[in-house]
Amino acid sequence: ETGVTQSPTHLIKTRGQQVTLRCSSQSGHNTVSWYQQALGQGPQFIFQYYREEENGRGNFPPRFSGLQFPNYSSELNVNALELDDSALYLCASSRTELLSYGYTFGSGTRLTVV
Amino acid sequence: GENVEQHPSTLSVQEGDSAVIKCTYSDSASNYFPWYKQELGKGPQLIIDIRSNVGEKKDQRIAVTLNKTAKHFSLHITETQPEDSAVYFCAAMITDSWGKLQFGAGTQVVVTP
Repeated sequence: ETGVTQSPTHLIKTRGQQVTLRCSSQSGHNTVSWYQQALGQGPQFIFQYYREEENGRGNFPPRFSGLQFPNYSSELNVNALELDDSALYLCASSRTELLSYGYTFGSGTRLTVV
Repeated sequence: GENVEQHPSTLSVQEGDSAVIKCTYSDSASNYFPWYKQELGKGPQLIIDIRSNVGEKKDQRIAVTLNKTAKHFSLHITETQPEDSAVYFCAAMITDSWGKLQFGAGTQVVVTP
């Protein structure tokens, strides 16, 4: 059973650019969530995808968007990058009917905006 | 919305001693409380969790307690070892809706030999 894999592991972008981060869910998981973790802080919920639709969103602006594909993998897209978008972006997968069993997190993508 | 506070922010213990981390939550509808361990360069790893119908849960050297009335829960690590050094996060969730985890700010635990 493979875990959650994210790519790339590190990324440097310039302010104003766009970025796409990718996530492959753990086998058997059909729900994907994305979190932003600023340095020294706890992860903050961005949004969740189930059946290829967004079914929950945190306090993030519309320039943060996502996709989920039929194989349950997912992308996080951020447009018009700002310096404050520099963070570790975490993807987590779960089995929707077993939400209370928690998420499995990937190791994240470290995004630096300069 | 839900707000989770976590204390202390840093905790230094001697190897073999116990470590306790405390969290409080604000939304009485929260019913699932996981604890995560995050090592440098890695994502959070679930180490133990507790549901609102249980007051205490133990797994080897790790235990979690929940007080629903006071809306607080705690992580207890006994017989600490150097490999326990990491950042620990508590979180709260309402599981009967889409699952948003609300995390605390984290506790940096350092176990010195």
